[in-house]
Amino acid sequence: QQQVKQSPQSLIVQKGGISIINCAYENTAFDYFPWYQQFPGKGPALLIAIRPDVSEKKEGRFTISFNKSAKQFSLHIMDSQPGDSATYFCAARAAGNKLTFGGGTRVLVKP
Amino acid sequence: GAGVSQTPSNKVTEKGKYVELRCDPISGHTALYWYRQSLGQGPEFLIYFQGTGAADDSGLPNDRFFAVRPEGSVSTLKIQRTERGDSAVYLCASSLTAGLSYNEQFFGPGTRLTVL
Repeated sequence: QQQVKQSPQSLIVQKGGISIINCAYENTAFDYFPWYQQFPGKGPALLIAIRPDVSEKKEGRFTISFNKSAKQFSLHIMDSQPGDSATYFCAARAAGNKLTFGGGTRVLVKP
Repeated sequence: GAGVSQTPSNKVTEKGKYVELRCDPISGHTALYWYRQSLGQGPEFLIYFQGTGAADDSGLPNDRFFAVRPEGSVSTLKIQRTERGDSAVYLCASSLTAGLSYNEQFFGPGTRLTVL
C-alpha cells in the first residue's frame, strides 16, 4: 500500500531550468514532510523539510509548496545545475519519527 | 564526527543462508532505524529502536527478519533462510531521538545484499 505517491518517475531539465516534483499522501496523521536527495551508492540526505501548518518553505534554490487540504506537496529546484542530478524522494513522518517514502524521481540536468 | 557506517558494503550470499548486517550510528544518537530499498524504489521502513528496545517493528516482512541493539548503540539486522526476493540495499539511519518532534534522520551508505 503506497501511502505517498510521487511523480514524475524521471525528468530531464536544461541547466538553469526549473525542476518540479510532486507528491500526494493519504494519511492525515502525517505531521512532517522532508525531501531527500540520493546520489548513486550513497544513502539519502535531507534536503529540505516542511510542517503542514506552513504553505511554503524556501532554502536557497529549493522550495517546498504544501497544500494541506489537497494533501499534496511539491519540490521546486530553481536554476537547476548539473550537480543537482540525483534521485529525489519525498517522505512523510508518522509517529515515532518513522518515514514513509515516495517512489523517487530521477532528475538529470543537462549542461 | 563520523556519520552512520554500515558493514559490509556488499554482501553476496546463496539462497537459504543466514546473513548479518551491521550498523554503527552517530555517537549520541538514541534512535536507530532500518529501511530496505529495492532497485528503483524508495526506502521502506523495517524497524526502529529507541535505545535498546525495538519501538516499532511493523515493517519487518516476516519472521525471518530480526534486529537487535543490545547496548543501545550498534545494531545488527539478521536475516534467516535468505530468499532471492530479499536482494536489496539495506539502509540504516540514526537520529538524536524519536518522539513528538521531528529529529533529522542521518542515513548510512547502505549494505547491498544479493541473494543468488
